[in-house]
Amino acid sequence: AQKITQTQPGMFVQEKEAVTLDCTYDTSDQSYGLFWYKQPSSGEMIFLIYQGSYDEQNATEGRYSLNFQKARKSANLVISASQLGDSAMYFCAMRAPGTALIFGKGTTLSVSS
Amino acid sequence: DTGVSQDPRHKITKRGQNVTFRCDPISEHNRLYWYRQTLGQGPEFLTYFQNEAQLEKSRLLSDRFSAERPKGSFSTLEIQRTEQGDSAMYLCASSLADRGLTGNTIYFGEGSWLTVV
Repeated sequence: AQKITQTQPGMFVQEKEAVTLDCTYDTSDQSYGLFWYKQPSSGEMIFLIYQGSYDEQNATEGRYSLNFQKARKSANLVISASQLGDSAMYFCAMRAPGTALIFGKGTTLSVSS
Repeated sequence: DTGVSQDPRHKITKRGQNVTFRCDPISEHNRLYWYRQTLGQGPEFLTYFQNEAQLEKSRLLSDRFSAERPKGSFSTLEIQRTEQGDSAMYLCASSLADRGLTGNTIYFGEGSWLTVV
């Protein structure tokens, strides 16, 4: 069975600082994808970044990067230069082809000025 | 290109009533998913369709829940005889069918909030 673990219920960071949100996963599949989503208070689940299990390089999308350590089964999200608008809930998720996306419990990020 | 849209965004209903939510996926996406999310938790998978076929249902989907996607485009999720425990946000998502090794990205709508009083 697949499982996602996010151990940080809440994180606090000041504007312009970088922050790392932790995610570990468990799966017996060799092929899988790892995803991060942002959920503001409005409720919409916004796709941020994707990492395939066979990708050798860490994924990057603007200020977001995914620190993928396959042997440790970790897929941490790094947000550089935090902005007030980054305050939201962040979910790590994974899926293998043909299966549904499963989510962790999320981390609430609060960015202060 | 519009994203995934859901209707209604908010619904308050009395216990025992039936409710129906509608989801319109991204137009070229042939997969459609329903998730449920309660406060402070991550979304939980309910069911998904590929075109009009319902391919997987979670054990969370009790017999009071039914989902359809009659023409492989929009989908409806109906909850019969609602209970207070059904209060949650119901998220719809869509994607292309999987190609390649690691699956396609799934895009979500803004969700439909249900409050059962």
